[in-house]
Amino acid sequence: AQKITQTQPGMFVQEKEAVTLDCTYDTSDPSYGLFWYKQPSSGEMIFLIYQGSYDQQNATEGRYSLNFQKARKSANLVISASQLGDSAMYFCAMIPYKAAGNKLTFGGGTRVLVKP
Amino acid sequence: EAGVTQFPSHSVIEKGQTVTLRCDPISGHDNLYWYRRVMGKEIKFLLHFVKESKQDESGMPNNRFLAERTGGTYSTLKVQPAELEDSGVYFCASSQGRVPYEQYFGPGTRLTVT
Repeated sequence: AQKITQTQPGMFVQEKEAVTLDCTYDTSDPSYGLFWYKQPSSGEMIFLIYQGSYDQQNATEGRYSLNFQKARKSANLVISASQLGDSAMYFCAMIPYKAAGNKLTFGGGTRVLVKP
Repeated sequence: EAGVTQFPSHSVIEKGQTVTLRCDPISGHDNLYWYRRVMGKEIKFLLHFVKESKQDESGMPNNRFLAERTGGTYSTLKVQPAELEDSGVYFCASSQGRVPYEQYFGPGTRLTVT
């Protein structure tokens, strides 16, 4: 079974500063994908970034980067130069590729509030 | 390109009534998923369609929940009869059938059972 742990239920960050959201995972599958989603107050889930377990480099998408440490089974999301619009819930999730199907397993989420 | 759409956005029903949620995936996406987040809990997988076939329905909580995907296009999720513990946000997602299988979510349907 897969498990995603996000230990930070909520955090404040000053506008224009960087913030790191923690995510650790557990799986016995050697091949998997890690995903981060953003859920603003409007409710929709927005796909942010993906990291494959065999990717040699950390994923980056604009102001989002993923600090992937495979040996530690962590996939922390770094948001640089925070903006007020970054205030939202952030979910870490994974798909084990060898297991049947490709359903996402989610962590409990981290609420981020960006202060002006 | 239109994203995943869900209808209704909100639904308030009484215990024992029936509700049907609808999801229209991104055009061309054969994979369609339903997830649910009840208050204060994690987002949980319900089931997965590949075209019109149920690939995995291991997350369906009980037989009061019935999902269909006629013709491999839109999907419906019916709850009959609804119970108080069914309240939550129901998300639909779709993806293309290849790695990394990133899933694109709809805005969700907030279901309140009173």
